[in-house]
Amino acid sequence: DQQVKQNSPSLSVQEGRISILNCDYTNSMFDYFLWYKKYPAEGPTFLISISSIKDKNEDGRFTVFLNKSAKHLSLHIVPSQPGDSAVYFCAAFSYTGGFKTIFGAGTRLFVKA
Amino acid sequence: GAGVSQSPRYKVAKRGQDVALRCDPISGHVSLFWYQQALGQGPEFLTYFQNEAQLDKSGLPSDRFFAERPEGSVSTLKIQRTQQEDSAVYLCASHVAAGVTGELFFGEGSRLTVL
Repeated sequence: DQQVKQNSPSLSVQEGRISILNCDYTNSMFDYFLWYKKYPAEGPTFLISISSIKDKNEDGRFTVFLNKSAKHLSLHIVPSQPGDSAVYFCAAFSYTGGFKTIFGAGTRLFVKA
Repeated sequence: GAGVSQSPRYKVAKRGQDVALRCDPISGHVSLFWYQQALGQGPEFLTYFQNEAQLDKSGLPSDRFFAERPEGSVSTLKIQRTQQEDSAVYLCASHVAAGVTGELFFGEGSRLTVL
């Protein structure tokens, strides 16, 4: 039972353009959503988050949008840079769901110079 | 150290061997998590410690998996009688606060290969 789904295994974008990574979830009880970035042979690093009571959060080149009615969130990277090439994980947790954060399977982003 | 440190980085075990994976969290971090990441998948929750107390072990896949954090700092994940399906990267994460925070600091992981 995948509660957090990232249906695109990979995405390729030209440098300078926008990257849009998508994530769908099934549990309407999630309180908080996060994006993590992972380089090869490294652990995931936190990128940006959004509370379920908001619909947008922005941090520099990174913006996360949340559409609760569609149970969908997206990460926008503008402008994309070659150093953004990594695997991006969408994640979520519920304050009443124990201590676990649920992760999607990840989307590998390639930013071409 | 400044970050979460895990050892060994790589471990090859023969099926049936016992393995122990170590995690040194960021100093002072109350919360410690273990996750298992299979190839091509996202991290999956194994267990959670708040200081030395193991408050959630619902993600441990079988009784062959055991975790401890006896003094509330270093943690060890032990896998007994390893099986091929145990092959994965085992990630440790910590956070300064107690409870669910989400914004976790991960180590680089221990990659276990069971032959």
